[in-house]
Amino acid sequence: GQSLEQPSEVTAVEGAIVQINCTYQTSGFYGLSWYQQHDGGAPTFLSYNALDGLEETGRFSSFLSRSDSYGYLLLQELQMKDSASYFCAVRHSGAGSYQLTFGKGTKLSVIP
Amino acid sequence: EAGVAQSPRYKIIEKRQSVAFWCNPISGHATLYWYQQILGQGPKLLIQFQNNGVVDDSQLPKDRFSAERLKGVDSTLKIQPAKLEDSAVYLCASSLDATAFGTGELFFGEGSRLTVL
Repeated sequence: GQSLEQPSEVTAVEGAIVQINCTYQTSGFYGLSWYQQHDGGAPTFLSYNALDGLEETGRFSSFLSRSDSYGYLLLQELQMKDSASYFCAVRHSGAGSYQLTFGKGTKLSVIP
Repeated sequence: EAGVAQSPRYKIIEKRQSVAFWCNPISGHATLYWYQQILGQGPKLLIQFQNNGVVDDSQLPKDRFSAERLKGVDSTLKIQPAKLEDSAVYLCASSLDATAFGTGELFFGEGSRLTVL
């Protein structure tokens, strides 16, 4: 089976940097994804790491270490609109296809 | 490009009643997923379709849940009879990327929020 661990809540100040960590245990691992979900909204894709290293997309960066089964999402220059839940998700082999298993999510609160 | 459409957005039923949710994925997306998201938790995969065939339904409570995808496009998820613990948001998602080398990005609908009383 798959298991993912991430902090349940994080609070950070507007303009600051925050890092959300994710550790995972899985078989048939292909990569680690991050999704953002605002209250009452749909999860939306942020990033995907299949290889070790850092991927940067604007204010957001994501890191993966396959040997440590660890990744993180880095949010820079925090804005109030970044207040949301962030889910790490492992992409892994499933029954004849590829599947995405989500963690429980980290609720980020950005304060003035 | 139109996104994933779901209906109804909200549904309130009594326990032991039945309910059905509908999903229309993004045009051309062969893979369709139904996820259950209980308040404060991450989405949990219930069933995955590839075209109109079931790829994985290992986490679908088959004694009360059923799903179908006719003609490889729209899908319906049914619960009968509902239990209190079925109160959740039911998210439909679709994806285009079926290779091991892509991102596997899922596009989610807004979800159907079910309350069982």
